[in-house]
Amino acid sequence: DQQVKQNSPSLSVQEGRISILNCDYTNSMFDYFLWYKKYPAEGPTFLISISSIKDKNEDGRFTVFLNKSAKHLSLHIVPSQPGDSAVYFCAASGGTSYGKLTFGQGTILTVHP
Amino acid sequence: DTEVTQTPKHLVMGMTNKKSLKCEQHMGHRAMYWYKQKAKKPPELMFVYSYEKLSINESVPSRFSPECPNSSLLNLHLHALQPEDSALYLCASSLPTSGEETQYFGPGTRLLVL
Repeated sequence: DQQVKQNSPSLSVQEGRISILNCDYTNSMFDYFLWYKKYPAEGPTFLISISSIKDKNEDGRFTVFLNKSAKHLSLHIVPSQPGDSAVYFCAASGGTSYGKLTFGQGTILTVHP
Repeated sequence: DTEVTQTPKHLVMGMTNKKSLKCEQHMGHRAMYWYKQKAKKPPELMFVYSYEKLSINESVPSRFSPECPNSSLLNLHLHALQPEDSALYLCASSLPTSGEETQYFGPGTRLLVL
C-alpha cells in the first residue's frame, strides 16, 4: 500500500527553466509534507515543508504547492541549476503515523547546462 | 546548525561479526530515528526514540538492536547480519513538536555484509 506516490521516476530540464516535481498521497490524515533532496551515498537534505493549513510555501528558488482536495503536492524550482541534479523525495506525516515519515519512491532530476 | 553526524562512514562485516553504528546530534532534538535505504528506494523507517524511549519498532529483526544512551546519542548494534542487510543506514533527528516535525538526516553509514 503506497500511500505517497511520485509517478515520474525521472525529469530532465534545461538550466534556467522551471522544474516541477509532483507527489500524490492517499491518506487524508497526513497533515505535514516535506521535500528532501538526495545525492548518491549521502543522507537526504531537507529542502522545504508545508503544513496542511497552507496551500503554498516559498523559500528562495523553491516553492511547494499543496492541493488538499486533490491530495497532490508539487515542488517548483525556479530557475533550475545543474547543482539541483539529484533524487527528490516527497514525504508525509500525520494522524496515527505520528513520528513516522512516509516517503515517495523519488524522482531523479537532471538539469542540463 | 542542522547537523547530524554518523560514524563510521563505511563498514564491512562478516555474518558472525558484532559491530555498532553511532549517531550524534547537538540540536537539542528529542526524537531520533534509524532508517535503512537500499539503492533506488526511499528510506525505510526502522526505529524511533522519543525522549530516549523506544516508541516505534517497525518489526525489525532482533539482529538489529537500537540503544539511546542519552538525548544526543543513538546507537545501532549489529549482530549476525545477513548479506541482504547491506544498505545505507541513516540516522535522523527532530524536535519533536506537535506533529509538524522536520527530520534532519545524517550522511549515513554504508554497510556491506559479506
